[in-house]
Amino acid sequence: DVKVTQSSRYLVKRTGEKVFLECVQDMDHENMFWYRQDPGLGLRLIYFSYDVKMKEKGDIPEGYSVSREKKERFSLILESASTNQTSMYLCASSFAGPSYEQYFGPGTRLTVT
Amino acid sequence: EDKVVQSPLSLVVHEGDTVTLNCSYEVTNFRSLLWYKQEKKAPTFLFMLTSSGIEKKSGRLSSILDKKELFSILNITATQTGDSAVYLCAVEEYNNNDMRFGAGTRLTVKP
Repeated sequence: DVKVTQSSRYLVKRTGEKVFLECVQDMDHENMFWYRQDPGLGLRLIYFSYDVKMKEKGDIPEGYSVSREKKERFSLILESASTNQTSMYLCASSFAGPSYEQYFGPGTRLTVT
Repeated sequence: EDKVVQSPLSLVVHEGDTVTLNCSYEVTNFRSLLWYKQEKKAPTFLFMLTSSGIEKKSGRLSSILDKKELFSILNITATQTGDSAVYLCAVEEYNNNDMRFGAGTRLTVKP
């Protein structure tokens, strides 16, 4: 069974805190993605990685950074959390190459107070 | 600017009705269009469409792509309350790994 796991389902942090969201996939996928989902805005891509130690900015990278030290793990980092980063964060992974499909994790609902 | 637009944004029907959800897109290097169903957790994959005019079916769900008019529809026949969800359309582009999502259509099926 395809599996993408995220470290937390719910997280509450204070403004200014450093936040780590972890994502692990067990499918040997090359590509990994971090999205955030907000009502009325759909899924928006924050960062993606197509190989270990490789990363590319998505549509909304400001305020975020990522780390991919191992193929199976992709971390999203909020250096200094702000209230406008309260959102649902979704990790996904896929094989490289044409017409892949993305597999999503269960999501982390982050609240920044 | 590249974009993916879904309509309607929300829809309320009764069990047994047939619904059609729309997705139009404007992207530079189209590769495929994907439909997802999202309930309380992460989206689950429904269909991937790459060729015009070829209908994909899965039970009561079907979808088709028109690459000339740049849109896709998702049909659900004999709707059930379990079909209530947000349906997301996403477009994948060549030359990058980006996927552009629409805002989704929230479908509510009443008993």
